[in-house]
Amino acid sequence: DSGVTQTPKHLITATGQRVTLRCSPRSGDLSVYWYQQSLDQGLQFLIQYYNGEERAKGNILERFSAQQFPDLHSELNLSSLELGDSALYFCASSVVSGGPDTQYFGPGTRLTVL
Amino acid sequence: EDQVTQSPEALRLQEGESSSLNCSYTVSGLRGLFWYRQDPGKGPEFLFTLYSAGEEKEKERLKATLTKKESFLHITAPKPEDSATYLCAVQDNYGQNFVFGPGTRLSVLP
Repeated sequence: DSGVTQTPKHLITATGQRVTLRCSPRSGDLSVYWYQQSLDQGLQFLIQYYNGEERAKGNILERFSAQQFPDLHSELNLSSLELGDSALYFCASSVVSGGPDTQYFGPGTRLTVL
Repeated sequence: EDQVTQSPEALRLQEGESSSLNCSYTVSGLRGLFWYRQDPGKGPEFLFTLYSAGEEKEKERLKATLTKKESFLHITAPKPEDSATYLCAVQDNYGQNFVFGPGTRLSVLP
């Protein structure tokens, strides 16, 4: 158990809908990262938040947005869903230091868009 | 642009047959290189962090090494439970760019 929690575990929805994925980081970690992993594809970095502020942006679509709240949990909002958005979505957290920032991953949310 | 490649794409070993996985990287200054293990449908599980050429770390049957251009994950006398996808990732010196490799799918046959 990494200490990172994600809800829900599974989500099934229809095209055009909007969903929200939730992540709680490990105790003491200020940084949260979101990744997308499609079938047979690698981890694609979406976005990073640090202590409530956006810190880095990857290949995140304009239909997707995220935020980190004062209690450090984060939400990833996916709107106008398309079939191609079906994937595993992972959240990771880390401390941010001057050295390597080891990320610890949650169990993921499996999103199925029908 | 930071890049990570991993080889082989897939590897099948007999139980007890030792081997190595390769991670080659191009990064504008390395802050850290990370190895993860991922089981199907699960989140990546952290294995090692390396940041200095020549560094080595060990955990049970796994040993990770780092040079200026690549990292190796050595698996000694693997068991079927070592079957998983092994992911390599790098963080650059600016600290805001993480890049994951495509992974190596390891199957260990009893």
